[in-house]
Amino acid sequence: GAGVSQSPRYKVAKRGQDVALRCDPISGHVSLFWYQQALGQGPEFLTYFQNEAQLDKSGLPSDRFFAERPEGSVSTLKIQRTQQEDSAVYLCASSLAAGDISYEQYFGPGTRLTVT
Amino acid sequence: AQSVSQHNHHVILSEAASLELGCNYSYGGTVNLFWYVQYPGQHLQLLLKYFSGDPLVKGIKGFEAEFIKSKFSFNLRKPSVQWSDTAEYFCAAFTTSGTYKYIFGTGTRLKVLA
Repeated sequence: GAGVSQSPRYKVAKRGQDVALRCDPISGHVSLFWYQQALGQGPEFLTYFQNEAQLDKSGLPSDRFFAERPEGSVSTLKIQRTQQEDSAVYLCASSLAAGDISYEQYFGPGTRLTVT
Repeated sequence: AQSVSQHNHHVILSEAASLELGCNYSYGGTVNLFWYVQYPGQHLQLLLKYFSGDPLVKGIKGFEAEFIKSKFSFNLRKPSVQWSDTAEYFCAAFTTSGTYKYIFGTGTRLKVLA
C-alpha cells in the first residue's frame, strides 16, 4: 500500500477484555514503532522493532501490553485485561532504515481504543 | 530524563499573522530535533528536522525552525500563516542514548481564523 495502515480504526472494549491492534507498515520498511497518545498529549513511545527483533520495549506500561512482528512486516500490539487508563490512540510508524534517523518516520492513522 | 516541552497549548491567529511556537528539550548529548504536524483528520507528518550544521532549518509549506543550543530550544516559525495551517504541531527529539526512540512534546493546537 501507499502508506502505513492500522486496523481497526476504532475499538470499544469492555474492561477486562483483550484487544489486538494491527499495523501494516510500508513495504520494505525495516523499523517499526508503536506509540500511545492519550487525549491532549503527544505520542509516547511504547516499543521499537528492527525487522522481527523487538529491540526496545521500555515504553510498554505494564506486562499486559505485548507486541510482536514475527515476519518483520505486520505488527500486532496486544493488550490483555484492558483497563480504563488504556483508552488512547495507538499509533504505528515505520521507517525505511534501521538506526538512521535521516529516514523519515511515516505514521499510520492510529487506532482509537475506548475501554468502558 | 530526556523531555520535550511545548509551552503553548492553544494558539489562535488571524491569517497573515506571524507564528512562533516554542519547543524546549532537555538532553545533554547529541540531539536531533523534529517538528511534526497533524492536520484535521490526517496522519502525523514531518514538517522539518535538524541533525547538525546550519541551525536555521527550512521545512515544507514555508515553515522554518531555529536550533539554539544555549537555550535548548527549537522554535517553529512562519512569517505569515494561512487558514490551511490550522493543525496540531508536535516537537520531537530523537535519542540514541541507551535506546532508539522519539520523544514528543504535548503538542500545540493552532487555529487560524480566515
